[in-house]
Amino acid sequence: NAGVTQTPKFQVLKTGQSMTLQCAQDMNHEYMSWYRQDPGMGLRLIHYSVGAGITDQGEVPNGYNVSRSTTEDFPLRLLSAAPSQTSVYFCASTSSVGSSEQYFGPGTRLTVT
Amino acid sequence: DAKTTQPPSMDCAEGRAANLPCNHSTISGNEYVYWYRQIHSQGPQYIIHGLKNNETNEMASLIITEDRKSSTLILPHATLRDTAVYYCIVRVAGNNDMRFGAGTRLTVKP
Repeated sequence: NAGVTQTPKFQVLKTGQSMTLQCAQDMNHEYMSWYRQDPGMGLRLIHYSVGAGITDQGEVPNGYNVSRSTTEDFPLRLLSAAPSQTSVYFCASTSSVGSSEQYFGPGTRLTVT
Repeated sequence: DAKTTQPPSMDCAEGRAANLPCNHSTISGNEYVYWYRQIHSQGPQYIIHGLKNNETNEMASLIITEDRKSSTLILPHATLRDTAVYYCIVRVAGNNDMRFGAGTRLTVKP
C-alpha cells in the first residue's frame, strides 16, 4: 500500500499560469480532500469529495477546481495562479464519511512568483 | 464545530511524559475531540480521538474532563521523534471537515 501519494513535491509557477496537483490513494477510500497550509498556520480545507462524481467546497475554495472521476484520483487545479496561493498543499483520504482517521499525503510545496 | 485553544509551544524532557492541554469550552454533546500531529512539515498524522471517556492506544492517552470543556493528550514516554506540532480538533462525527488551528509545538529535549 502506497497510501496517499501527491505529485509534484515542489512546483514554482508564475502569476497567471495554471497547473494541476495530483493526488492518488490505493486504499479504496470514499472520502478525499484538499487542504492548504500557509506558514505558521494550521490546515484549511479547500475542496472535498465523498465519492466518485461528487465534490463540494470547503473553507477556502476560490481559485481552485476539483473533479473526481475515479475513486483513486482527486486532482486539484489552479486556474490562474496568484502569489496568495503560495502554500503547501495536502491531500487526505478516509475510508468513509465520518471515519475517525484521515490519511494525509506528503504535500506539494507551491510557490507562485 | 467548537473552537479549541492550545498553548503555542511546550518543552518536554526525553523519557518524561508530555501533557498537552486543549480547551474546548463550547463543545457540544455530539462533538468528538481528535488529536493529530505534524512532524516537520509532513502530512498530519492521526493520534487518537474520544467523546467523553478516556482513551488509550499505542501512541497516547486522551483524558477528557467530566464537563468535556477541556482535554489533555498524554505521550507517556516522550522521545526526540515526538517533536512536532500537535493539533486538537473538535468536530461532529460524520463531518470530515477537519478545522486545524495553530496547534502546540512540542519540543522534546535530550
